[in-house]
Amino acid sequence: NAGVMQNPRHLVRRRGQEARLRCSPMKGHSHVYWYRQLPEEGLKFMVYLQKENIIDESGMPKERFSAEFPKEGPSILRIQQVVRGDSAAYFCASSPSDRTGGTDTQYFGPGTRLTVL
Amino acid sequence: DQQVKQNSPSLSVQEGRISILNCDYTNSMFDYFLWYKKYPAEGPTFLISISSIKDKNEDGRFTVFLNKSAKHLSLHIVPSQPGDSAVYFCAASAMEYGNKLVFGAGTILRVKS
Repeated sequence: NAGVMQNPRHLVRRRGQEARLRCSPMKGHSHVYWYRQLPEEGLKFMVYLQKENIIDESGMPKERFSAEFPKEGPSILRIQQVVRGDSAAYFCASSPSDRTGGTDTQYFGPGTRLTVL
Repeated sequence: DQQVKQNSPSLSVQEGRISILNCDYTNSMFDYFLWYKKYPAEGPTFLISISSIKDKNEDGRFTVFLNKSAKHLSLHIVPSQPGDSAVYFCAASAMEYGNKLVFGAGTILRVKS
């Protein structure tokens, strides 16, 4: 009964380095979402992907951030040249269908806690 | 622009009593609402949801009520248990905006034994 998997759980980077966060959706789910949670705040939507397609990236910062969900393998959230303000918890969620199919409950992974020194 | 608001940062309830967590929203396009529970250092866990065509949904000890005219929903937990102590997030989505969820800031629930 594998849920959404994320790794690493904790990631420490120095300013200017790259961070790669990985997410494997639940079995049978083809929709992946990334959210970011800053301290003392709720989760903020970043990007919504299906296999090989970015559907909605309206929450992604314009620079340094990118995401992909290849045909094979996990979804990757990539942050280039990290800055201290990127320190946050990054959560991935997956769902089995889009809204046209009715309900679209998203199930979350345990998150990756990124610390930028 | 906070479209989903949870105005109570924290709530303390005695074990066995009812916990009521509130959530207000401003965007009338929202048509699907969810409650998630989150423990420290873990991801949010889905609890219960409600579509805008309903005004109540129940699942065991958890009931969600939706008042569309007031743009308000609430989560009732009866009876409350110490294991319910966590942060509770309200979230909303709109068919117009695709699948993205808009979250409130969360309410910390403490259930005292």
